[in-house]
Amino acid sequence: DSGVTQTPKHLITATGQRVTLRCSPRSGDLSVYWYQQSLDQGLQFLIQYYNGEERAKGNILERFSAQQFPDLHSELNLSSLELGDSALYFCASSSRTSSRETQYFGPGTRLLVL
Amino acid sequence: AQKITQTQPGMFVQEKEAVTLDCTYDTSDQSYGLFWYKQPSSGEMIFLIYQGSYDEQNATEGRYSLNFQKARKSANLVISASQLGDSAMYFCAMREHNAGGTSYGKLTFGQGTILTVHP
Repeated sequence: DSGVTQTPKHLITATGQRVTLRCSPRSGDLSVYWYQQSLDQGLQFLIQYYNGEERAKGNILERFSAQQFPDLHSELNLSSLELGDSALYFCASSSRTSSRETQYFGPGTRLLVL
Repeated sequence: AQKITQTQPGMFVQEKEAVTLDCTYDTSDQSYGLFWYKQPSSGEMIFLIYQGSYDEQNATEGRYSLNFQKARKSANLVISASQLGDSAMYFCAMREHNAGGTSYGKLTFGQGTILTVHP
């Protein structure tokens, strides 16, 4: 158990809908990262938050947004969903934004858009 | 250009033997970190081992060791005494600093290698 929790584990929804994925980092970790894993794109970095502030953005679509709350949990919002958004979405956390810090991953949310 | 290259889509190993999973990387940073993660069929990403670019010794964690050759920009994972439970997808990843020395922290992943351990 990495200490990072993600809910829900599975999500099935229809095209055009909006969903929210939730992540709680390990106790004491200030950084939260979101990644998307799909068959065609592999594992891709989406966005990073550090202590409530956005720190970096990757290939995140404009239909996607995220935030980190004062209690450090984070939510990834996916809207106007398309079939191609079906993927495994990971949240990871680390305690510092330095190259030595390990990112620990949550179990992921498996999203299926029908 | 690919930042992380894992050239072996699949590898097979006999139980109790050692196996090496290849990883090469590309960066212009002097300070960076290299990671290996294991993803079993259940889907979770499990951290295995870390190597810093300034670390003089190869990292080891139990049966896992990292063969770090900086000049060749390679960071191969060696699993000794393979077990059936080692069957999984393995990802090599890199974390770079930006030019200002403050890491944004994102990991860049390779495409992964599927390891199958035969009894």
